[in-house]
Amino acid sequence: DTEVTQTPKHLVMGMTNKKSLKCEQHMGHRAMYWYKQKAKKPPELMFVYSYEKLSINESVPSRFSPECPNSSLLNLHLHALQPEDSALYLCASSQQPGTGYGYTFGSGTRLTVV
Amino acid sequence: GESVGLHLPTLSVQEGDNSIINCAYSNSASDYFIWYKQESGKGPQFIIDIRSNMDKRQGQRVTVLLNKTVKHLSLQIAATQPGDSAVYFCAENNGNTGKLIFGQGTTLQVKP
Repeated sequence: DTEVTQTPKHLVMGMTNKKSLKCEQHMGHRAMYWYKQKAKKPPELMFVYSYEKLSINESVPSRFSPECPNSSLLNLHLHALQPEDSALYLCASSQQPGTGYGYTFGSGTRLTVV
Repeated sequence: GESVGLHLPTLSVQEGDNSIINCAYSNSASDYFIWYKQESGKGPQFIIDIRSNMDKRQGQRVTVLLNKTVKHLSLQIAATQPGDSAVYFCAENNGNTGKLIFGQGTTLQVKP
């Protein structure tokens, strides 16, 4: 298995809703990442998990809450989002923190906040 | 701050021609670079990578060149096909933090 799987593919949520994005990989990668991508822009890093521990938070608002239950799973919990948070949310993983080797992206969750 | 940039936002080529997409980076300590292809509605797809101890690497129809002297990276696509139409990003690995720094992207348009 050489994929990063993200669910759901599409999500529409209201500003008062609570939802979660899920990401899974079975490549034995020990680093996992969340990125946000707006239209026609490059992906922007949000969080880095190294060996299941949060190592980087790029000053992301607290309405985004990441969680890494185990080495294969990564969640992003969403609460009280704003319309400007609408974007493509990408999960990625790499073999080991710091090397970048095997850096693989999922297909993303297209999030719309209404 | 550190950034990786691309020279042209859009590149239009004729089907069958070769394409060259360029990228400049600013962190001379970066040791690993990746080119990604992103089609509409999809995540970035790995194309080819290169470590800083190399200056050229070839794949199937693609070649990456690295010039550390001028901090320049390029992606060459041979015999460009309509299926190559996409946005291409270069990315630079910050080895200390594991952060992947992306360039702004070049949209490749292939004319039949």
